[in-house]
Amino acid sequence: KAGVTQTPRYLIKTRGQQVTLSCSPISGHRSVSWYQQTPGQGLQFLFEYFSETQRNKGNFPGRFSGRQFSNSRSEMNVSTLELGDSALYLCASSLVGQGVDEQYFGPGTRLTVT
Amino acid sequence: AQSVAQPEDQVNVAEGNPLTVKCTYSVSGNPYLFWYVQYPNRGLQFLLKYITGDNLVKGSYGFEAEFNKSQTSFHLKKPSALVSDSALYFCAVRDQAGTALIFGKGTTLSVSS
Repeated sequence: KAGVTQTPRYLIKTRGQQVTLSCSPISGHRSVSWYQQTPGQGLQFLFEYFSETQRNKGNFPGRFSGRQFSNSRSEMNVSTLELGDSALYLCASSLVGQGVDEQYFGPGTRLTVT
Repeated sequence: AQSVAQPEDQVNVAEGNPLTVKCTYSVSGNPYLFWYVQYPNRGLQFLLKYITGDNLVKGSYGFEAEFNKSQTSFHLKKPSALVSDSALYFCAVRDQAGTALIFGKGTTLSVSS
């Protein structure tokens, strides 16, 4: 079974621009979560989608948004990029995304904002 | 609120020796606990999870974790460390909404030959 894929793997953007990151979950997984990883803050939860509905949201500004499509693929968008948005963005998928259901992570998208 | 703590930033062990990476948790309700490993420039790989009733959980690559309810701990262990085990290890717990994972700050494991 193919793993979680994320595109692009690397991205360089300028402050003020916007960016869209894509995530394809493992086949059959209906829950997709997004995390931001930085050296200073560690791994922080952004949001989680299940069956095209956002079920949970972390403590991030409204510039961060996401969506999920009917095939469970997900995108996240960051508008008006700031230097502090430079991070590794990780997508994770799971069957139902609750309880003991483990999450499987993609390789991440490394975003650099200059 | 749910939280996990990894008290050690780095753990150093010699190849062949047993290793322990510590994790303590604070939860209300059932503790849904997980361990992940991250190699440089890679995403996180799932190692194991706590299943209610199993105080010793076995996972991937020879790792196991010991759940201790009285000490609110979920320490990761391996009887004999390999150099290839050198990586960043994260303990995680489900949040109260039940869908997100809350991660510890991570522990860098360094295994010397």
